[in-house]
Amino acid sequence: GAVVSQHPSWVICKSGTSVKIECRSLDFQATTMFWYRQFPKQSLMLMATSNEGSKATYEQGVEKDKFLINHASLTLSTLTVTSAHPEDSSFYICSARRLAGLRGYNEQFFGPGTRLTVL
Amino acid sequence: QKEVEQNSGPLSVPEGAIASLNCTYSDRGSQSFFWYRQYSGKSPELIMFIYSNGDKEDGRFTAQLNKASQYVSLLIRDSQPSDSATYLCAVLPQGGGNKLTFGTGTQLKVEL
Repeated sequence: GAVVSQHPSWVICKSGTSVKIECRSLDFQATTMFWYRQFPKQSLMLMATSNEGSKATYEQGVEKDKFLINHASLTLSTLTVTSAHPEDSSFYICSARRLAGLRGYNEQFFGPGTRLTVL
Repeated sequence: QKEVEQNSGPLSVPEGAIASLNCTYSDRGSQSFFWYRQYSGKSPELIMFIYSNGDKEDGRFTAQLNKASQYVSLLIRDSQPSDSATYLCAVLPQGGGNKLTFGTGTQLKVEL
């Protein structure tokens, strides 16, 4: 399958600081990327849909000014958690959508995730 | 009612047995259905997808879809300890564009 990378894989920061997480599709172009958050023992919660060259679409209840998303190229999307607080501590996972090929469907490939801990 | 429902488990099966994981969804117009496996502390990886009624087999995995009953299942034959993980059912709703809706996952434990 296709490869999606995330950086960093984990980060610990102080309350009030900002953290940037990168998501890259390494061997395909992704016009659409998704950002999820997962709390312990809970399912993936979609935060926003990121489209290359346009503003991200945020899910209800997700603060767009707090979670800044930039999809500057077909292979890179970034999520910046601004003024992070302990309640923002979570596992953040991106996925990239590869357009339908021989399989005939648009497959989503997940990055390895970034574990954020805010002290 | 949740859009995608799964029994959280844990589901325990002995090694070599068949594990049966179930998922129901509320949007009757849903188009595609996916099963992801997620190991603890890791991100999900796609195992199977299905969009037609009936069975779809891939190695030890069989996905079953019944749109009339709004039910999708995953069977794992000859279960191995390495299959122990949380299995997430995901649905592409009608009109939902590219957005997958995930269930909360079923934890599977394959015991020696």
